Amino acid sequence: GAGVSQSPSNKVTEKGKDVELRCDPISGHTALYWYRQSLGQGLEFLIYFQGNSAPDKSGLPSDRFSAERTGGSVSTLTIQRTQQEDSAVYLCASRIGPLNTEAFFGQGTRLTVV
Amino acid sequence: DAKTTQPPSMDCAEGRAANLPCNHSTISGNEYVYWYRQIHSQGPQYIIHGLKNNETNEMASLIITEDRKSSTLILPHATLRDTAVYYCIVRETFGSSNTGKLIFGQGTTLQVKP
Repeated sequence: GAGVSQSPSNKVTEKGKDVELRCDPISGHTALYWYRQSLGQGLEFLIYFQGNSAPDKSGLPSDRFSAERTGGSVSTLTIQRTQQEDSAVYLCASRIGPLNTEAFFGQGTRLTVV
Repeated sequence: DAKTTQPPSMDCAEGRAANLPCNHSTISGNEYVYWYRQIHSQGPQYIIHGLKNNETNEMASLIITEDRKSSTLILPHATLRDTAVYYCIVRETFGSSNTGKLIFGQGTTLQVKP
């Protein structure tokens, strides 16, 4: 597809379980971002990948959160031992490069921890 | 990234111009001003960006003050579909280890009324 694709669109999980969220960026985009948006709140930066550089993980809220980007394309955000406060929409974005270009966002994965 | 300040909410009558302000008093010389918006239940959408000159595209105009400490996004003829949260972001484009990182604030909720 032409846009950023995220899967699943909705995920309900039990507290304590691990979840994996997937992001397929636009082909050729070297920069990829993950954000979290809790109900009624703004976007919280989580992690940023740029090419082959070490990712900027400064936004990850705890060591239960991790992300990978394999082959410079698909990214997976993993949340271990989920807690109810992890419930949110997780948004992925990509851009063709780091400089002076627009970011394209996916529709997000709505995570509900029960 | 420089911090931005936006009013939490604004109203605008349909068909009138919507003027959304943003303060970024600590902006530095290599930081661009970006605007995104997020319509309910969707991922954010790029609108426009600029460095120091005023910019216009098919969606909006961006007016940046001469000292670059504030800017205004103008939607010339607001429609009901422009109801959204509007985010103002400043971001380094070069010469910084944070290049490429996008940090969103709380934004302005614009309500266009008939």
